[in-house]
Amino acid sequence: GIQVEQSPPDLILQEGANSTLRCNFSDSVNNLQWFHQNPWGQLINLFYIPSGTKQNGRLSATTVATERYSLLYISSSQTTDSGVYFCAPPRGSGTYKYIFGTGTRLKVLA
Amino acid sequence: DVKVTQSSRYLVKRTGEKVFLECVQDMDHENMFWYRQDPGLGLRLIYFSYDVKMKEKGDIPEGYSVSREKKERFSLILESASTNQTSMYLCASNSGGYGYTFGSGTRLTVV
Repeated sequence: GIQVEQSPPDLILQEGANSTLRCNFSDSVNNLQWFHQNPWGQLINLFYIPSGTKQNGRLSATTVATERYSLLYISSSQTTDSGVYFCAPPRGSGTYKYIFGTGTRLKVLA
Repeated sequence: DVKVTQSSRYLVKRTGEKVFLECVQDMDHENMFWYRQDPGLGLRLIYFSYDVKMKEKGDIPEGYSVSREKKERFSLILESASTNQTSMYLCASNSGGYGYTFGSGTRLTVV
């Protein structure tokens, strides 16, 4: 089945800094999700991205399916951005079952 | 706003008990999922349902069963709880072509 790898595993930033999180996957996909898990465990869907780039405020995500990676950009980071970021591609074409990467743990310092 | 509600935030059960975890969504989604999350192992799919009374096993179905009698409700059942089922349980739902919405999770401890 599809393999998912996220990097870096851990990241510490000063408030206001920018960052790029990467998600590599082993098979071709036609969509991908990015999630943020806050310190209380709640998983929030940031992006459902079929292809190309999506933006939502300070966050944006780009998926290059042909090269099998996706990037999540966080600009002007805030302490509330702390938590774990997961990417999740589908397990195969035509399925709604997604496989989750191991995550990037982000800590933003005030 | 799409809402996925899990009935309990924290639960403590005894070994051997039958445990029911409930999940309700209010957006008429056809797909519902149960995941468990463990440190170092990430999120793993237990069961998936794509319609009322329809289900598919995920990666780790052993020791679990599910029930979906109504579209909005998806229940996870631990037939005989064991300590290795101590975990965070997360329910999600979606509709085709859209991303998941997760509930806030149930942290289950089996003693």
